[in-house]
Amino acid sequence: GAGVSQSPSNKVTEKGKDVELRCDPISGHTALYWYRQRLGQGLEFLIYFQGNSAPDKSGLPSDRFSAERTGGSVSTLTIQRTQQEDSAVYLCASSPRATQYFGPGTRLLVL
Amino acid sequence: GNSVTQMEGPVTLSEEAFLTINCTYTATGYPSLFWYVQYPGEGLQLLLKATKADDKGSNKGFEATYRKETTSFHLEKGSVQVSDSAVYFCALSKGPEGAQKLVFGQGTRLTINP
Repeated sequence: GAGVSQSPSNKVTEKGKDVELRCDPISGHTALYWYRQRLGQGLEFLIYFQGNSAPDKSGLPSDRFSAERTGGSVSTLTIQRTQQEDSAVYLCASSPRATQYFGPGTRLLVL
Repeated sequence: GNSVTQMEGPVTLSEEAFLTINCTYTATGYPSLFWYVQYPGEGLQLLLKATKADDKGSNKGFEATYRKETTSFHLEKGSVQVSDSAVYFCALSKGPEGAQKLVFGQGTRLTINP
């Protein structure tokens, strides 16, 4: 079946612009996660959605970052006023219970 | 807080060599432990996992044993192949099932030469 998909696969933007990254989870998965992977580093947790519960935003690095999940399915991660340190691969994962299934990521480059 | 430390790479081996990638963790209580693999040009995939002490996770010839006494989850394979070339991430999660934020190590890039 279809896996987790993310779009765009690559995004180049100018410093100060806003960007939106999209994640389509596996159908039926109630949990959705966003992670960030900076060059040469491990993945950092950003935010977690579970069903209709309030999201766990404890990993968001600043108030420029926000995310929403509509209808318990598609999620959008928004970064406002992008900075060069936001350059990274942004990964989305979904989960039916314990095991997380990752998408291919969006590679963001802020010039 | 929770953290994972894994063997720094890159690691380069010849085909059929024995592989060990070390991973140690810091966490309170009993986390679940994972190894994820990222093949070139592909997304992150779960390789194996263990959810309690002394459990052994295994897949594709890889094994790792959850050692609570040494807080370790080292990845091993007896005979590596060129197709095993990838980046390997050790991770832990702690939380109620279905709410398991993963904490990752830095990743170890493995290259297998024919």
